Amino acid sequence: DAEITQSPRHKITETGRQVTLACHQTWNHNNMFWYRQDLGHGLRLIHYSYGVQDTNKGEVSDGYSVSRSNTEDLPLTLESAASSQTSVYFCASSEPSGRGTDTQYFGPGTRLTVL
Amino acid sequence: DQQVKQNSPSLSVQEGRISILNCDYTNSMFDYFLWYKKYPAEGPTFLISISSIKDKNEDGRFTVFLNKSAKHLSLHIVPSQPGDSAVYFCAASARVQGAQKLVFGQGTRLTINP
Repeated sequence: DAEITQSPRHKITETGRQVTLACHQTWNHNNMFWYRQDLGHGLRLIHYSYGVQDTNKGEVSDGYSVSRSNTEDLPLTLESAASSQTSVYFCASSEPSGRGTDTQYFGPGTRLTVL
Repeated sequence: DQQVKQNSPSLSVQEGRISILNCDYTNSMFDYFLWYKKYPAEGPTFLISISSIKDKNEDGRFTVFLNKSAKHLSLHIVPSQPGDSAVYFCAASARVQGAQKLVFGQGTRLTINP
């Protein structure tokens, strides 16, 4: 069955370290997204990609970067982790339907703690 | 500036009764509205959606109502079941370069009591 996976599921790191969160989908979807979930804010868009070599900034992109070298993967990198980046991170993918809504399929999430 | 707001962080309902979750938005350009359901330690899953040109969409026990003049939508669950206990996120969509971008509300934690 097609799926979307994230690794690691839990990560503890120190302030200033570089951290990369992996996202892998087997849906063969062109669109991929990274969100963070924080209490009181819901899910906020960090970065998104509409295809290989395409990346775009979302509403909370400062301190994060992504790269898209193939269809299946969109890794999220925190260049220099800060305590404000302690959060739960969700990856999602979708395929443009051209009509109606594009259902976004979410991964199980990565809980990141920055000490 | 929160474009999508869910003003109730939590809601508790008796099993078998109706659950009503509310959501307000500010941007008239949103073309679809969606509800996602999230269980602990899992990612959100799509539940139901409604086009901005409709005022009601029904799927089994779930009905979404849209009031465009008030910029308000609600999700009705009837009858409520224990398995409905979860966090519900309202989301609004806008198409950018042909693909859909979502803006989420803060979420409402629904608890169904037996």
